[in-house]
Amino acid sequence: EVQLVQSGAEVKKPGESLKISCKGSGYIFANYWIAWVRQMPGKGLEWMGIIYPGDSDTRYTPSFQGQITISADKSTSTAYLLWSSLKASDTATYYCARRAEGAEYLQQWGQGTLVSV
Amino acid sequence: EIVLTQSPGTLSLSPGERATLSCRASQSVGSNYLAWYQQKPGQAPRLLIYGASSRATGIPDRFSGSGSGTDFTLTISRLEPEDFAVYYCQQYSSSPLTFGGGTKVEI
Repeated sequence: EVQLVQSGAEVKKPGESLKISCKGSGYIFANYWIAWVRQMPGKGLEWMGIIYPGDSDTRYTPSFQGQITISADKSTSTAYLLWSSLKASDTATYYCARRAEGAEYLQQWGQGTLVSV
Repeated sequence: EIVLTQSPGTLSLSPGERATLSCRASQSVGSNYLAWYQQKPGQAPRLLIYGASSRATGIPDRFSGSGSGTDFTLTISRLEPEDFAVYYCQQYSSSPLTFGGGTKVEI
């Protein structure tokens, strides 16, 4: 069974750094793109960026470029979302999700990580 | 950027009724690359439909998707109690990938 398990909720102060994680299992992690999606409190979904763990090819939505860093470690089947300096406006639930093969819709989702700044 | 506008914002219906949700794109969605997701409170979204009309694995056949170009529809033929949730459309034909604002289906 394909599973994506995310790290737990975080409470941080503005200016602090943070890395949250998403560990995949039940499939060959390196072979499927992993996306990160933001959901601010009471709001809709926003596509942040996507990474191919096989070669770390990464693409960012323009509005998130420079604000976050997406990385992956295929040896541990884990993707990461990193902030170097958090803002209050980064308060949200962040989801990782596995992209379908050959098309950019999201087939399986992690449970979400709530980040409070 | 393709902007997706979902309507109505909220749909108030009873179990057993039919739900019709709309997703309109600001420009044509190539190859009907449109997906629908369901999100219940406190849960992650779940894929329902991809390619505008193909049901994802395990999705009941009361859910159907249709449409092309700029106008897409998600239909729930007979609402079950577990179908009351928020539904989002997403286009994946051009970057940046975008989601609609969501439609809440409430009792």
